[in-house]
Amino acid sequence: GAVVSQHPSRVICKSGTSVKIECRSLDFQATTMFWYRQFPKQSLMLMATSNEGSKATYEQGVEKDKFLINHASLTLSTLTVTSAHPEDSSFYICSASSDRGWTDTQYFGPGTRLTVL
Amino acid sequence: AQKVTQAQTEISVVEKEDVTLDCVYETRDTTYYLFWYKQPPSGELVFLIRRNSFDEQNEISGRYSWNFQKSTSSFNFTITASQVVDSAVYFCALGPILTGGGNKLTFGTGTQLKVEL
Repeated sequence: GAVVSQHPSRVICKSGTSVKIECRSLDFQATTMFWYRQFPKQSLMLMATSNEGSKATYEQGVEKDKFLINHASLTLSTLTVTSAHPEDSSFYICSASSDRGWTDTQYFGPGTRLTVL
Repeated sequence: AQKVTQAQTEISVVEKEDVTLDCVYETRDTTYYLFWYKQPPSGELVFLIRRNSFDEQNEISGRYSWNFQKSTSSFNFTITASQVVDSAVYFCALGPILTGGGNKLTFGTGTQLKVEL
């Protein structure tokens, strides 16, 4: 149980384009999903927290208009990197937690490696 | 403010050796959760254990064991008879105990474990 998927696993795009990353909880309802960014050989940096049906809460320094987050259902959250630039290239990881059953444990997706040319 | 320190940046051992990964935390909360996650080269974070602050019993799961010492604010992780497949980055994390789930985690910087033949 507690499986989280992410799609795509890897994406290469041109500068100026937008990229959407999907995060799905496959076998549980995720009341909260988190989006992280990880640079090589570094720890995870929390970007935002999203609760189903409400606006995401962004961490300080994260541009809301740059990183659009939608959590439309209890099993799906999306992160859209708008007008991507090379400095947005990174490893993006989502996690999901639930207030039912697996409270307070975040289960992580496999990550999406974004390369912006 | 919460803080997690993993002082060991990188550890190299030979297969079958025992290895301990250190984790020291700081928090003003009287109750909290501690976690360990494994991140293999594929990138996905794998949940290993969650421990709450009012349960100081040590835990063993196969070759893995965890030593929680509240008096020294430490939550160390030992792998017995290490194997090459244990090679990964290991993250220790701290989170509050709140109702409703969706609690933000504070991650350490991770320890890269390399197990060689």
